[in-house]
Amino acid sequence: AQSVTQPDIHITVSEGASLELRCNYSYGATPYLFWYVQSPGQGLQLLLKYFSGDTLVQGIKGFEAEFKRSQSSFNLRKPSVHWSDAAEYFCAVGAGTSYDKVIFGPGTSLSVIP
Amino acid sequence: DTAVSQTPKYLVTQMGNDKSIKCEQNLGHDTMYWYKQDSKKFLKIMFSYNNKELIINETVPNRFSPKSPDKAHLNLHINSLELGDSAVYFCASSQDYGTSGKLFFGSGTQLSVL
Repeated sequence: AQSVTQPDIHITVSEGASLELRCNYSYGATPYLFWYVQSPGQGLQLLLKYFSGDTLVQGIKGFEAEFKRSQSSFNLRKPSVHWSDAAEYFCAVGAGTSYDKVIFGPGTSLSVIP
Repeated sequence: DTAVSQTPKYLVTQMGNDKSIKCEQNLGHDTMYWYKQDSKKFLKIMFSYNNKELIINETVPNRFSPKSPDKAHLNLHINSLELGDSAVYFCASSQDYGTSGKLFFGSGTQLSVL
C-alpha cells in the first residue's frame, strides 16, 4: 500500500536560515509527489508537484523539492526562511489507479524564530 | 470570490445529533472530495465524486453520507454523531480526475461533538 512518512514532527528555524523538510514515500510505480502547506485555520495549498522529468522542481513562495528515486525521498527546501513560512507542511503521493487519490503524510510543523 | 467554500466554519453539537456540512466550488472542476483531519493533523480522504458520481469511498462509517446535487456542490451529512467524529473536515476539488493531483481546499469545518 502507498504511504508517506515525514520523520520530523516539528522543526524550529531562525528567520533567514535555510530549511529542509524530509519526506519518504512507499509506492510501487513511479509516484506523483506533492508538497502542500497549511497555515493556521486554513485549508491546504499546493506548493509544488513532481510528475516526471527534472527531479528538481520549483514551487511557489521560493520553495523547491528534489525527487530521489534511489532514496524514495522528496525533500522540500528553502534557502532563506521568512516568518510567514511558519505553518504545517504535508508531503503527499498520488496513489491508486487515479492520481487524484492523494495520500498525505502526517505533516511537519514549522516554527520560525524572528 | 472564494474558490472552494464550506459552511459552517465551526459546528458544535451533541452526541447522537445529525448534521450537514456544505461545500461549493466555483472553479468549474469536475471532481470534489471530503477529507478528515484529526487532532494530530493527520489528513485522510473520505470520499471523492467525479461529475456527481461516487468514485472513492474509503472505509468510512455509513453514518457519513455524501451528496452531490451537481458537480459544483458536495455536501456531507453525518447521522448519529459520535465523539470520535470530532475533527476538521475539508472539502477539496480538482480540475481533471486522474491527471493533475492538484487539489484546491476549502478552509475547513471544525466539528466538535460533545
